[in-house]
Amino acid sequence: GDSVTQMEGPVTLSEEAFLTINCTYTATGYPSLFWYVQYPGEGLQLLLKATKADDKGSNKGFEATYRKETTSFHLEKGSVQVSDSAVYFCAIYNFNKFYFGSGTKLNVKP
Amino acid sequence: SAVISQKPSRDICQRGTSLTIQCQVDSQVTMMFWYRQQPGQSLTLIATANQGSEATYESGFVIDKFPISRPNLTFSTLTVSNMSPEDSSIYLCSVEGVEQFFGPGTRLTVL
Repeated sequence: GDSVTQMEGPVTLSEEAFLTINCTYTATGYPSLFWYVQYPGEGLQLLLKATKADDKGSNKGFEATYRKETTSFHLEKGSVQVSDSAVYFCAIYNFNKFYFGSGTKLNVKP
Repeated sequence: SAVISQKPSRDICQRGTSLTIQCQVDSQVTMMFWYRQQPGQSLTLIATANQGSEATYESGFVIDKFPISRPNLTFSTLTVSNMSPEDSSIYLCSVEGVEQFFGPGTRLTVL
């Protein structure tokens, strides 16, 4: 069945460091790809998405590119801030269902 | 873009009781979904609710424990029945075709 694998956390970075969170997926057909973010004590927020191969989703300095050949959707940010500390979930949407990765907790230290 | 709202936003309940969570969308949608996020975990699909038909449950979830109603194209309820502490989770409504896809969630604590 469909599934998502993302890098385990926690990931601890200093402010202004470069961030990469790896995400790969297994799916039949042609899913849409998402990154969601969950700040402490809050609900799920859509961070960015891509719906077709080579699409780049971007928001708040975060980027991810839909790589169909490697079935990946890695999340990157050039310079993280303390306020980026949260849990990040990679997800695919395929045949009306979401499949989520296990989440990666990011801690950014000043 | 359509807006999804949920009630209640949070609740603390006693073991053995039931709680009904409401999900409202401000536009008509065919498919609505209910997800659960247990503490420190990812999201898991509970069931799919289409208007006018029985909900379809995922493996590990049963109608007696999580009855769902879908009376019209803008509304759905999920009931968590005979609750135990293991039911403490965030329950999220999801709607196809809405940018955010997910409602704000209901944070349930069972004592």
